[in-house]
Amino acid sequence: AQSVTQPDIHITVSEGASLELRCNYSYGATPYLFWYVQSPGQGLQLLLKYFSGDTLVQGIKGFEAEFKRSQSSFNLRKPSVHWSDAAEYFCAVGELQGAQKLVFGQGTRLTINP
Amino acid sequence: DTAVSQTPKYLVTQMGNDKSIKCEQNLGHDTMYWYKQDSKKFLKIMFSYNNKELIINETVPNRFSPKSPDKAHLNLHINSLELGDSAVYFCASSQLAGYNEQFFGPGTRLTVL
Repeated sequence: AQSVTQPDIHITVSEGASLELRCNYSYGATPYLFWYVQSPGQGLQLLLKYFSGDTLVQGIKGFEAEFKRSQSSFNLRKPSVHWSDAAEYFCAVGELQGAQKLVFGQGTRLTINP
Repeated sequence: DTAVSQTPKYLVTQMGNDKSIKCEQNLGHDTMYWYKQDSKKFLKIMFSYNNKELIINETVPNRFSPKSPDKAHLNLHINSLELGDSAVYFCASSQLAGYNEQFFGPGTRLTVL
Protein backbone atom coordinates (compact mmCIF):
# COMPACT_ATOMS: atom_id res chain seq x y z
CA ALA A 1 0.00 0.00 0.00
CA GLN A 2 1.19 3.47 -0.70
CA SER A 3 2.23 5.72 2.15
CA VAL A 4 3.69 9.15 2.75
CA THR A 5 6.01 10.20 5.53
CA GLN A 6 6.73 13.75 6.55
CA PRO A 7 9.53 13.39 9.09
CA ASP A 8 9.20 16.86 10.57
CA ILE A 9 6.07 17.50 12.61
CA HIS A 10 6.96 21.12 13.35
CA ILE A 11 9.49 23.48 11.79
CA THR A 12 10.29 27.04 12.80
CA VAL A 13 12.14 29.42 10.50
CA SER A 14 12.80 33.12 10.52
CA GLU A 15 11.08 35.39 8.06
CA GLY A 16 13.24 35.76 4.97
CA ALA A 17 15.05 32.47 5.55
CA SER A 18 14.93 29.56 3.14
CA LEU A 19 12.67 26.58 3.75
CA GLU A 20 12.72 22.91 2.92
CA LEU A 21 9.95 20.54 4.00
CA ARG A 22 10.67 16.86 3.60
CA CYS A 23 8.40 14.23 2.11
CA ASN A 24 9.12 10.56 1.46
CA TYR A 25 6.70 8.24 -0.26
CA SER A 26 6.25 4.54 -0.75
CA TYR A 27 4.59 3.54 -3.99
CA GLY A 28 5.25 0.71 -6.41
CA ALA A 29 4.56 2.51 -9.68
CA THR A 30 5.21 6.01 -10.94
CA PRO A 31 3.89 8.25 -8.19
CA TYR A 32 1.58 11.17 -8.60
CA LEU A 33 2.67 13.63 -5.92
CA PHE A 34 1.11 16.72 -4.44
CA TRP A 35 1.77 19.40 -1.85
CA TYR A 36 -1.18 21.08 -0.17
CA VAL A 37 -1.23 23.92 2.35
CA GLN A 38 -3.80 24.37 5.11
CA SER A 39 -4.02 27.78 6.75
CA PRO A 40 -5.56 27.91 10.22
CA GLY A 41 -9.28 27.22 10.09
CA GLN A 42 -9.22 26.77 6.34
CA GLY A 43 -9.48 23.96 3.84
CA LEU A 44 -6.56 22.66 1.82
CA GLN A 45 -5.14 24.50 -1.17
CA LEU A 46 -2.98 22.86 -3.82
CA LEU A 47 0.54 24.31 -4.01
CA LEU A 48 1.93 22.10 -6.76
CA LYS A 49 1.83 18.64 -8.28
CA TYR A 50 4.12 16.22 -10.07
CA PHE A 51 2.95 13.70 -12.64
CA SER A 52 5.88 13.23 -15.01
CA GLY A 53 8.51 15.15 -16.93
CA ASP A 54 10.70 17.78 -15.35
CA THR A 55 11.49 16.69 -11.81
CA LEU A 56 11.57 20.28 -10.54
CA VAL A 57 8.06 21.66 -10.41
CA GLN A 58 7.00 25.20 -9.72
CA GLY A 59 3.91 26.05 -7.73
CA ILE A 60 1.99 28.97 -6.40
CA LYS A 61 3.23 31.44 -3.78
CA GLY A 62 6.87 30.97 -4.82
CA PHE A 63 7.08 27.30 -3.82
CA GLU A 64 8.86 24.59 -5.74
CA ALA A 65 9.39 20.88 -5.20
CA GLU A 66 11.87 18.37 -6.56
CA PHE A 67 11.03 14.75 -7.29
CA LYS A 68 13.91 12.35 -6.64
CA ARG A 69 13.00 8.81 -7.56
CA SER A 70 16.24 7.35 -6.17
CA GLN A 71 15.42 8.79 -2.74
CA SER A 72 11.63 8.37 -2.96
CA SER A 73 11.39 12.01 -2.00
CA PHE A 74 9.39 15.04 -3.03
CA ASN A 75 10.69 17.89 -0.88
CA LEU A 76 9.08 21.32 -0.89
CA ARG A 77 11.25 24.43 -0.96
CA LYS A 78 10.96 28.18 -0.85
CA PRO A 79 13.96 30.51 -1.05
CA SER A 80 12.56 33.18 1.29
CA VAL A 81 9.56 32.66 3.56
CA HIS A 82 7.01 35.30 4.50
CA TRP A 83 5.01 35.49 7.72
CA SER A 84 1.91 34.54 5.71
CA ASP A 85 3.47 31.15 4.92
CA ALA A 86 2.79 29.98 8.47
CA ALA A 87 0.45 27.02 8.00
CA GLU A 88 0.22 23.24 7.93
CA TYR A 89 1.75 21.59 4.87
CA PHE A 90 0.68 18.20 3.57
CA CYS A 91 2.40 15.96 1.07
CA ALA A 92 0.21 13.42 -0.71
CA VAL A 93 0.56 10.58 -3.19
CA GLY A 94 -2.32 9.76 -5.49
CA GLU A 95 -3.61 6.78 -7.32
CA LEU A 96 -6.68 6.17 -9.42
CA GLN A 97 -9.26 3.79 -7.96
CA GLY A 98 -12.17 4.79 -10.07
CA ALA A 99 -11.54 8.22 -8.69
CA GLN A 100 -8.45 9.95 -7.37
CA LYS A 101 -7.44 8.55 -4.03
CA LEU A 102 -5.04 10.82 -2.18
CA VAL A 103 -2.97 9.39 0.66
CA PHE A 104 -1.65 12.17 2.85
CA GLY A 105 1.35 12.45 5.12
CA GLN A 106 0.83 13.54 8.69
CA GLY A 107 1.63 17.15 7.91
CA THR A 108 4.33 19.62 8.90
CA ARG A 109 3.40 22.70 10.89
CA LEU A 110 5.42 25.73 9.81
CA THR A 111 5.96 28.60 12.25
CA ILE A 112 7.59 31.83 11.11
CA ASN A 113 9.62 33.94 13.52
CA PRO A 114 9.58 37.68 12.82
CA ASP B 1 -18.34 33.02 -4.78
CA THR B 2 -17.46 30.00 -2.70
CA ALA B 3 -16.30 27.06 -4.81
CA VAL B 4 -16.87 24.28 -2.25
CA SER B 5 -19.07 25.11 0.70
CA GLN B 6 -19.96 23.10 3.78
CA THR B 7 -22.60 23.58 6.44
CA PRO B 8 -22.42 23.81 9.33
CA LYS B 9 -18.92 25.04 10.11
CA TYR B 10 -19.17 23.82 13.69
CA LEU B 11 -21.32 21.01 15.07
CA VAL B 12 -21.48 20.09 18.75
CA THR B 13 -23.68 17.19 19.74
CA GLN B 14 -24.19 14.41 22.24
CA MET B 15 -23.19 10.78 21.85
CA GLY B 16 -25.88 8.69 20.23
CA ASN B 17 -27.36 11.51 18.16
CA ASP B 18 -27.72 11.52 14.38
CA LYS B 19 -26.34 14.48 12.42
CA SER B 20 -25.74 15.56 8.84
CA ILE B 21 -23.13 17.71 7.15
CA LYS B 22 -23.91 19.25 3.79
CA CYS B 23 -21.54 19.98 0.94
CA GLU B 24 -22.10 21.85 -2.29
CA GLN B 25 -19.74 22.72 -5.13
CA ASN B 26 -20.36 25.22 -7.90
CA LEU B 27 -17.34 24.29 -10.01
CA GLY B 28 -19.18 21.95 -12.33
CA HIS B 29 -17.07 19.01 -11.16
CA ASP B 30 -18.33 15.47 -11.54
CA THR B 31 -16.60 13.91 -8.51
CA MET B 32 -16.89 14.72 -4.83
CA TYR B 33 -15.10 13.42 -1.74
CA TRP B 34 -15.33 13.31 2.03
CA TYR B 35 -12.19 13.35 4.16
CA LYS B 36 -11.75 13.07 7.93
CA GLN B 37 -9.00 14.97 9.74
CA ASP B 38 -8.37 13.73 13.25
CA SER B 39 -6.99 15.60 16.25
CA LYS B 40 -3.43 14.92 15.10
CA LYS B 41 -4.21 16.54 11.72
CA PHE B 42 -4.05 13.18 9.94
CA LEU B 43 -6.20 13.41 6.83
CA LYS B 44 -7.86 10.32 5.38
CA ILE B 45 -10.29 9.80 2.56
CA MET B 46 -13.67 8.33 3.48
CA PHE B 47 -15.79 8.33 0.33
CA SER B 48 -15.84 9.44 -3.26
CA TYR B 49 -18.83 9.88 -5.54
CA ASN B 50 -18.84 10.35 -9.30
CA ASN B 51 -22.08 11.53 -10.88
CA LYS B 52 -24.00 10.36 -7.80
CA GLU B 53 -22.37 6.92 -7.87
CA LEU B 54 -20.21 5.70 -4.97
CA ILE B 55 -16.75 4.78 -6.26
CA ILE B 56 -14.50 4.88 -3.19
CA ASN B 57 -15.54 3.60 0.24
CA GLU B 58 -12.59 3.41 2.61
CA THR B 59 -13.62 0.97 5.31
CA VAL B 60 -15.78 3.49 7.05
CA PRO B 61 -18.29 2.26 9.67
CA ASN B 62 -21.75 1.90 8.21
CA ARG B 63 -22.98 4.53 10.69
CA PHE B 64 -21.61 6.93 8.05
CA SER B 65 -23.83 7.22 5.00
CA PRO B 66 -23.00 9.61 2.20
CA LYS B 67 -25.80 10.78 -0.03
CA SER B 68 -25.48 12.51 -3.36
CA PRO B 69 -28.79 13.97 -4.59
CA ASP B 70 -27.02 15.40 -7.64
CA LYS B 71 -23.45 15.82 -8.77
CA ALA B 72 -23.14 19.24 -7.13
CA HIS B 73 -24.04 17.97 -3.66
CA LEU B 74 -22.60 15.32 -1.36
CA ASN B 75 -24.01 15.13 2.13
CA LEU B 76 -22.67 13.07 5.01
CA HIS B 77 -25.09 11.57 7.50
CA ILE B 78 -23.77 10.04 10.69
CA ASN B 79 -25.91 7.81 12.91
CA SER B 80 -25.37 7.03 16.59
CA LEU B 81 -22.47 9.41 17.01
CA GLU B 82 -19.50 8.26 19.08
CA LEU B 83 -16.75 10.18 20.84
CA GLY B 84 -14.25 8.97 18.25
CA ASP B 85 -16.21 10.67 15.49
CA SER B 86 -15.00 14.04 16.77
CA ALA B 87 -12.88 15.45 13.95
CA VAL B 88 -12.85 17.97 11.14
CA TYR B 89 -14.63 16.71 8.05
CA PHE B 90 -13.64 18.11 4.67
CA CYS B 91 -15.55 17.91 1.45
CA ALA B 92 -13.68 18.19 -1.85
CA SER B 93 -14.47 18.06 -5.56
CA SER B 94 -12.63 17.52 -8.82
CA GLN B 95 -13.07 16.40 -12.37
CA LEU B 96 -12.71 12.62 -12.51
CA ALA B 97 -10.45 12.27 -15.53
CA GLY B 98 -6.78 12.09 -14.61
CA TYR B 99 -5.26 13.82 -11.66
CA ASN B 100 -7.09 17.09 -11.68
CA GLU B 101 -6.79 19.26 -8.62
CA GLN B 102 -9.13 18.53 -5.75
CA PHE B 103 -10.73 21.68 -4.35
CA PHE B 104 -11.46 21.52 -0.64
CA GLY B 105 -14.20 23.09 1.41
CA PRO B 106 -13.46 24.97 4.65
CA GLY B 107 -14.26 21.98 6.85
CA THR B 108 -16.83 21.14 9.50
CA ARG B 109 -15.56 20.69 13.05
CA LEU B 110 -17.64 18.00 14.72
CA THR B 111 -17.43 17.65 18.50
CA VAL B 112 -19.19 14.74 20.16
CA LEU B 113 -19.70 15.10 23.91
